[in-house]
Amino acid sequence: QPVLTQPPSASASLGASVTLTCTLSSGYSNYKVDWYQQRPGKGPRFVMRVGTGGIVGSKGDGIPDRFSVLGSGLNRYLTIKNIQEEDESDYHCGADHGSGSNFVEVFGGGTKLTVL
Amino acid sequence: EVQLVETGGGLIQPGGSLRLSCAASGFTVSSNYMSWVRQAPGKGLEWVSVIYSGGSTYYADSVKGRFTISRDNSKNTLYLQMNSLRAEDTAVYYCARKIAAAGNFDYWGQGTLVTVSS
Repeated sequence: QPVLTQPPSASASLGASVTLTCTLSSGYSNYKVDWYQQRPGKGPRFVMRVGTGGIVGSKGDGIPDRFSVLGSGLNRYLTIKNIQEEDESDYHCGADHGSGSNFVEVFGGGTKLTVL
Repeated sequence: EVQLVETGGGLIQPGGSLRLSCAASGFTVSSNYMSWVRQAPGKGLEWVSVIYSGGSTYYADSVKGRFTISRDNSKNTLYLQMNSLRAEDTAVYYCARKIAAAGNFDYWGQGTLVTVSS
């Protein structure tokens, strides 16, 4: 099954841009990844799905246009432009793998985004 | 409006049992793919279990044989029966919905905290 790797932390100034990275383990370059935002004390919220061709499907409810994604090789990127205070959150990437008794959902360790 | 509300968490001794509930509104649990996902304190998300719309169930290796996922269609509620609890099961437990097995989790609850400690 794939392993998803995320840097534990990132920071950006108010109004700036930041790109968060989720790296798939070798051999899984065709996998799509889901990005989730988790504000402090809250449950996760779907942001959008990304493959090597970019966004797959639609953004989650209420996700502003400032959020975008790209995919390249083993990396899946989430870019946030014009960062606002409410963007300070943990960002998780996830993917599903297999089927039937081999089915599993895997998540990265999450990246804590601090808005300076 | 879709809503998921988890209840049933609490402090439990190692080896004990607990049943979590996830009451759903705004959609039908039995028509969707429902999962439990947990988050240990300060850690990332960990998938625990799923029940498919057809009734098939699957588990993470870490809980296989100890946890059981189920649903009550009349109550539109998802459950997680947790037995033989260990300290490493301490986490916030979330229920989450997918409309397709290979889709994204589109709705999550607010979570319920399970603490396993003597």
